[in-house]
Amino acid sequence: GDSVTQMEGPVTLSEEAFLTINCTYTATGYPSLFWYVQYPGEGLQLLLKATKADDKGSNKGFEATYRKETTSFHLEKGSVQVSDSAVYFCALSDRAAGNKLTFGGGTRVLVKP
Amino acid sequence: KAGVTQTPRYLIKTRGQQVTLSCSPISGHRSVSWYQQTPGQGLQFLFEYFSETQRNKGNFPGRFSGRQFSNSRSEMNVSTLELGDSALYLCASSLDGRSDTGELFFGEGSRLTVL
Repeated sequence: GDSVTQMEGPVTLSEEAFLTINCTYTATGYPSLFWYVQYPGEGLQLLLKATKADDKGSNKGFEATYRKETTSFHLEKGSVQVSDSAVYFCALSDRAAGNKLTFGGGTRVLVKP
Repeated sequence: KAGVTQTPRYLIKTRGQQVTLSCSPISGHRSVSWYQQTPGQGLQFLFEYFSETQRNKGNFPGRFSGRQFSNSRSEMNVSTLELGDSALYLCASSLDGRSDTGELFFGEGSRLTVL
C-alpha cells in the first residue's frame, strides 16, 4: 500500500537558518503530494501541495518539488523564524482513493531565537 | 467563514464505555474525513463521508463507526472503549471530495482519554 517516510525530529535550528525536511513516498498510482503543518494546540493546516511530477509547491517561504524519479518531496525554507516552530507532516493522496491522505510520521521543528 | 468545528474538545471516558464525537464542516463542504492521531501510530485515516455515504474506510475495527447527516455534519462513534483508543481525533472537510483539489481543512480535534 501507499506509504510516506519522513525524517524524524526533533530538528532544532537557530533563527535565519536553512531548513530541509526529507520526505519520500511509495505509491502505486500517481499521487498528489502535500505538506501540512501543525502548530501547538491547533489542527493541521495545508502548507503547500503538488499534483504532478516536477510541480513545485510554495507558500510562506517554504518550497517542495515533486520528484517522481526519486519519489521524493523534500520541504525547504531558506531562513526560518521562531514562528515556524511546529510539526510538519508530509502526505500523499491517491486519486483513486478519494480524499484519503496517507501521512508521514511528522517532524517536529524548533527554531530558537 | 467559520472553520471546521469539533465537539467536544476534550473528554475522559473509562474502558468499556462508548463515545460520540461531532464535526461540523465548513459551510458548503460535502466531504468529511476522520483521522486518529497518536504519538505511536501518527495520523491514521478512519473513514470519509461524502453526501451521507461512506466512501472510504481505513483499517480500524468495527467498534469505530461514523455517519453523515444531510447538512454534512458528521459524527463518529467508538464503542467498548480501550485504553489504546486514547488519541486526538481530527475531522477534516473539503468542498467536493475530489483529491485533485488537495486541500483538506482540519478542525482542532477532540482529545479523548480512556482510563
